[in-house]
Amino acid sequence: DTEVTQTPKHLVMGMTNKKSLKCEQHMGHRAMYWYKQKAKKPPELMFVYSYEKLSINESVPSRFSPECPNSSLLNLHLHALQPEDSALYLCASSQGARMFVAAFFGQGTRLTVV
Amino acid sequence: AQSVTQPDIHITVSEGASLELRCNYSYGATPYLFWYVQSPGQGLQLLLKYFSGDTLVQGIKGFEAEFKRSQSSFNLRKPSVHWSDAAEYFCAVGAASGGGADGLTFGKGTHLIIQP
Repeated sequence: DTEVTQTPKHLVMGMTNKKSLKCEQHMGHRAMYWYKQKAKKPPELMFVYSYEKLSINESVPSRFSPECPNSSLLNLHLHALQPEDSALYLCASSQGARMFVAAFFGQGTRLTVV
Repeated sequence: AQSVTQPDIHITVSEGASLELRCNYSYGATPYLFWYVQSPGQGLQLLLKYFSGDTLVQGIKGFEAEFKRSQSSFNLRKPSVHWSDAAEYFCAVGAASGGGADGLTFGKGTHLIIQP
């Protein structure tokens, strides 16, 4: 199994809603990542978890709240989002603590905030 | 801080022709370099990576890249493109700082168009 699985694939939410994005991998990777990608732009790093601990938070607004319940799962909780938060949210994982070891991306969740 | 420049926003190549996508990086130490491909609305697929050793790296789908330290470049090549290669290509650099996980810094991407 060399996949990073993200659910849902598409999500439409209102600005007052609370929703969560889910990411799962069963490759034994110990680092997991959230990236945000706006249309026609490169992915931008949001959060990094290493051994289930948050190691990098790239100054992301508090309306995005990551969670790593165990080494296979990564969630991104969303609350009171703005329309400009609409984007493709990508999850990635890597073996160990360095991204270069093996980097796998999920297919992403296309988020639309209305 | 590391950075990546992909000078070409769009490149158009005829099917069957050769391809070279340019990537220049800026990083103080030995860089860890990657090429990813992304089809519309999809995630990123790793084509190849360079950490050390042989400067010519072979990847999937017939792609290769050459690391040239003197030119701070990591250009992607393919001898003969197929229509299915049309996609967005991202060059990325990873830091190797001690402790903790490091994310990738991506270039702005090159959009590859294949002409029949």
